[in-house]
Amino acid sequence: QSALTQPRSVSGSPGQSVTISCTGTSSDVGGYNYVSWYQQHPGKAPKLMIYDVTKRPSGVPDRFSGSESGNTASLTISGLQAEDEADYYCCSYGGSYNFRVFGGGTKLTVL
Amino acid sequence: QVQLQESGPGLVKPSETLSLTCTVSGDSMTNYYWSWIRQPPGKGLEWIGYIYYSGTTNYNPSLKSRVTISIDTSKNQFSLKLSSVTAADTAMYYCARHLNSGWYYWGQGALVTVSS
Repeated sequence: QSALTQPRSVSGSPGQSVTISCTGTSSDVGGYNYVSWYQQHPGKAPKLMIYDVTKRPSGVPDRFSGSESGNTASLTISGLQAEDEADYYCCSYGGSYNFRVFGGGTKLTVL
Repeated sequence: QVQLQESGPGLVKPSETLSLTCTVSGDSMTNYYWSWIRQPPGKGLEWIGYIYYSGTTNYNPSLKSRVTISIDTSKNQFSLKLSSVTAADTAMYYCARHLNSGWYYWGQGALVTVSS
């Protein structure tokens, strides 16, 4: 069982927007602004899409955005494209004892 | 362009020690944190531990008793040792470099199977 809770799957049609949630506790997500999101295509290494809750690394389209409210972080993908179909993982700082905790992953299907 | 490459045996016997090395090219290791992350087949990601270029380490509490991460900045490498492995340690093992709260640069991964 993962420390952070994500929906197992979400889906959307091309051009639509989808939001993936990541729920933790005040000891991780809610306690720090240190949530990151990863996209993983089959057989590939994860790719950093969002860090520090809302920041996008160079090269990541602005269709990807991150936010946080209380103990829940969210990744929103607008203008869905076929290549967005992948698994998405959230990760949070969990304090000095449990430095990094992951969500179980969400499979995004583009219909 | 920063590149990371994992290397090491792809098959380890139960109760033995898993050893992997990550070779970094394209940049110095100085001033960065470096992590190992693993993913069992068909499952999610698990952070194993990190090492700072100075040698400071931090490990996942669930693996702490079995994990050692070391660094050799002169060779631009850092390494993972995981002792007393079982089938549950079968996974793709990734090395990665931190960017603030995330990992920006990743290796392609090394599949390690624990089996007799």
